[in-house]
Amino acid sequence: DVKVTQSSRYLVKRTGEKVFLECVQDMDHENMFWYRQDPGLGLRLIYFSYDVKMKEKGDIPEGYSVSREKKERFSLILESASTNQTSMYLCASSRGQARSEAFFGQGTRLTVV
Amino acid sequence: GENVEQHPSTLSVQEGDSAVIKCTYSDSASNYFPWYKQELGKRPQLIIDIRSNVGEKKDQRIAVTLNKTAKHFSLHITETQPEDSAVYFCAASTGGFKTIFGAGTRLFVKA
Repeated sequence: DVKVTQSSRYLVKRTGEKVFLECVQDMDHENMFWYRQDPGLGLRLIYFSYDVKMKEKGDIPEGYSVSREKKERFSLILESASTNQTSMYLCASSRGQARSEAFFGQGTRLTVV
Repeated sequence: GENVEQHPSTLSVQEGDSAVIKCTYSDSASNYFPWYKQELGKRPQLIIDIRSNVGEKKDQRIAVTLNKTAKHFSLHITETQPEDSAVYFCAASTGGFKTIFGAGTRLFVKA
């Protein structure tokens, strides 16, 4: 059974804090993604990585950074959390070939107060 | 920029009826169109996908059609059941790593 695991299901952080969201996959996938899910806006891509230490900006990278030191782990970092970053964050992974299925984690609901 | 429009945002049907969700994409280079289902409190999961060299694909009660000329693709669910109630996302990809998702359709199937 394929698995993408996010470190927290719920998080509450204060404005200005540095926040780390962790994601681990056990499928040996090359590609990993971070999405943000907001009602009425669907899934918006923040960052993705197609290899260790490689990263590419998605559609809404402002205020975020990522780290991929190992193939199985992809971290999303909020450098200084703000209330407009309150959202559901979804990690996903896929095989290296294009046009392949994305497998999602269970999501982290982040609230910034 | 590239975008995917999805309609309707909410759809309510009676059990046993059909449900149709429509999407339009802007990037004519898109060639892969997956559909994901997200049940309440759960992660999105792929239910069906179609590639640009195919006009229609069917899997039991679910079918997807693609009109590349009009840049439209649709999800059809026949004989709907209460367990079909979920949020459905369409998506379009050019074959690279970037996939653009629609805003989602919340489907309610009334028993």
